[in-house]
This record gives sequence, structure tokens and C-alpha cells, in this order.
Amino acid sequence: QKEVEQNSGPLSVPEGAIASLNCTYSDRGSQSFFWYRQYSGKSPELIMSIYSNGDKEDGRFTAQLNKASQYVSLLIRDSQPSDSATYLCAVNSNNNDMRFGAGTRLTVKP
Amino acid sequence: IAGITQAPTSQILAAGRRMTLRCTQDMRHNAMYWYRQDLGLGLRLIHYSNTAGTTGKGEVPDGYSVSRANTDDFPLTLASAVPSQTSVYFCASAGQGGDTQYFGPGTRLTVL
Repeated sequence: QKEVEQNSGPLSVPEGAIASLNCTYSDRGSQSFFWYRQYSGKSPELIMSIYSNGDKEDGRFTAQLNKASQYVSLLIRDSQPSDSATYLCAVNSNNNDMRFGAGTRLTVKP
Repeated sequence: IAGITQAPTSQILAAGRRMTLRCTQDMRHNAMYWYRQDLGLGLRLIHYSNTAGTTGKGEVPDGYSVSRANTDDFPLTLASAVPSQTSVYFCASAGQGGDTQYFGPGTRLTVL
């Protein structure tokens, strides 16, 4: 069983819609949670971090964490074609044990 | 410009050859990491270093070694490359507190 699971996609949404990306994790001791965006052929770049249950908003992005359900999600509002990328969920139990999901590929169609 | 650099950008290597991938950061981050990224498997940690002079094994360390002689540099060595080491390799670093990692541009390695 993979420790961090994501739907591989591809997920396709029309421009202006809400894109919803989901991630589950197996380690209940996990303390910090991250979403990275990775454009094709590029390196991952951090877009959101979340540490406490609930929602965290940053511009068009909202991360949601539910530790009881071991679930973290990323919502992208007013999706733009430039949001088309692979989104990686990462979960950190301690600083030397960051585990990544395989990523969800998002396509935003104009 | 502050950040992480990796070299080479890409490399084709014959099996059995020795190869060192270079990683340098100028952010004075204590922690550094090496990952490999393979299709369908995501990023997997190879080795890490919490501070200069110390290193540790990650999820997939076999066939790789690292050293951390100073804060800025964290080279990854493949002593005798095998085709299963064909991958994209990313170096990352993290500052005080250590849980937010920043990635270098990557090295695409092909072992034939």
C-alpha cells in the first residue's frame, strides 16, 4: 500500500471552473502537508503548506486538511490554462521522511 | 540569484560507469536531499543530510552514496551505474525548521 495516494488523473476542467485534487496518507503521525506544482520537464515548486485541520486559503488556492480522515485536498478556483500541470501531494512525518504521491495531472481547457 | 543548481542537466551513461551528480545551494540551508522521480512512482528519497558532516539513508539508497563536506554542496555518486538508475534526479534543500523543501532544476540521467 502506497503511503501517499493521489488520483493519477488526468483531471480535465474547463477554464474558470474549480479543480479539486485529493490526497490520502497512511501515517497518522504525519505533521505537515504540502502541495507542489510541477510543470512538464520542470522541478516541483511549493504552492501550499498546511499543518492544522481545516482550510487554508492563498489567492485562488485552498488547501483542506482532515487528520482524522487522513485526507488533504487542494481546490483551485477560477482555473486557468496556466494551472495545467502535475500536482504533487507531500506528507512529512519528520524532516527526513517526506513522502510524495505520484501526482495528479491537471489540464485546464480554454 | 539565490537557489539550488544541479549539474549536469542531462547525461547518458554506459552501465558500469561511475557518475557524480552535483548539487549546490546558496541559501545557507542546513538540510539537503536527493530524490529520484520515475513515472508513476513519484519522488522517492535517496539520501539526506541534516547538516554539514552528516548524512542518512532515505527510501531507496542502494547503489548511491553522498557526502556533505560543507553547507553548500551535496554530491550524489553512482559507483557503478545500472539501467534501473535511469531517472530524473532532484536535489532539494530546507532551511531552519526543515519541513519546506525547495528543489533544484533536476538532472535527467540515462544509463544504457
